Amino acid sequence: GENVEQHPSTLSVQEGDSAVIKCTYSDSASNYFPWYKQELGKRPQLIIDIRSNVGEKKDQRIAVTLNKTAKHFSLHITETQPEDSAVYFCAPFQAGTALIFGKGTTLSVSS
Amino acid sequence: GAVVSQHPSWVICKSGTSVKIECRSLDFQATTMFWYRQFPKQSLMLMATSNEGSKATYEQGVEKDKFLINHASLTLSTLTVTSAHPEDSSFYICSARGLSGSYNEQFFGPGTRLTVL
Repeated sequence: GENVEQHPSTLSVQEGDSAVIKCTYSDSASNYFPWYKQELGKRPQLIIDIRSNVGEKKDQRIAVTLNKTAKHFSLHITETQPEDSAVYFCAPFQAGTALIFGKGTTLSVSS
Repeated sequence: GAVVSQHPSWVICKSGTSVKIECRSLDFQATTMFWYRQFPKQSLMLMATSNEGSKATYEQGVEKDKFLINHASLTLSTLTVTSAHPEDSSFYICSARGLSGSYNEQFFGPGTRLTVL
C-alpha cells in the first residue's frame, strides 16, 4: 500500500513570506496528487491537484510541483496571509482507489 | 454541485450504546463512499471503502463487526458504531466519489463529532 511522508509537520512564517510543504510517496502507481486544507473542526478542502503527466500547476498564490521519478510533490504558497493558517494534507492516489493522507503540516502565518 | 451531507453533525452517547451516522450525496450518484476517522491533531485515517450494493472493504485494524457500514443506494451510506466506548470518540468523515470526466474526485461530508461518555 501507499506510504506517505509529509514534511515539515509544523511551519511558521511571517505574512507575505512563502511556504513550501513536501510530500513523499511510495506507490509508483499513484497518478493523482492533491493537496487539501483543513481548518479546525471542518472537512478537508481540495485546494490544488496535479496529474502524473504534468510537472507543475499554478493557481494564483498556490502551486504544486511533481517529481514522479523521485516520488515527491510539493505545495508552494506565495505571499502568505493569516487566512492561510490551517493544516495541509497531501493525499496521493491511483485513480479508482481511496485517498491516503499524509500526517499533515500545521501552517501558522503571523501578521 | 457535488455536495455531501452528514447527519448528525455531533452526537454524545453513553458507553455501550450504538450510534448511526448517515452520509448522503445530494446532487450526484456516488458509486463509492469512504469512511475516515480523525483523532485530535492527527490525520484522516481510512476506515473502509464501500461500493453500492456490495460489502464494505475494511482497512487493516478496523473491526468490521464494530463499525458496520451499509451502502444500500447510490446516495446513502451509513456507519454504525456498535457498543461504543470512550476510545471510539473521534471525528468521523465520509466522502463520496462519482465520476467526473476521467478524474475520480472525492467530495467530503462536513464530519460527525462523536463523544462517548
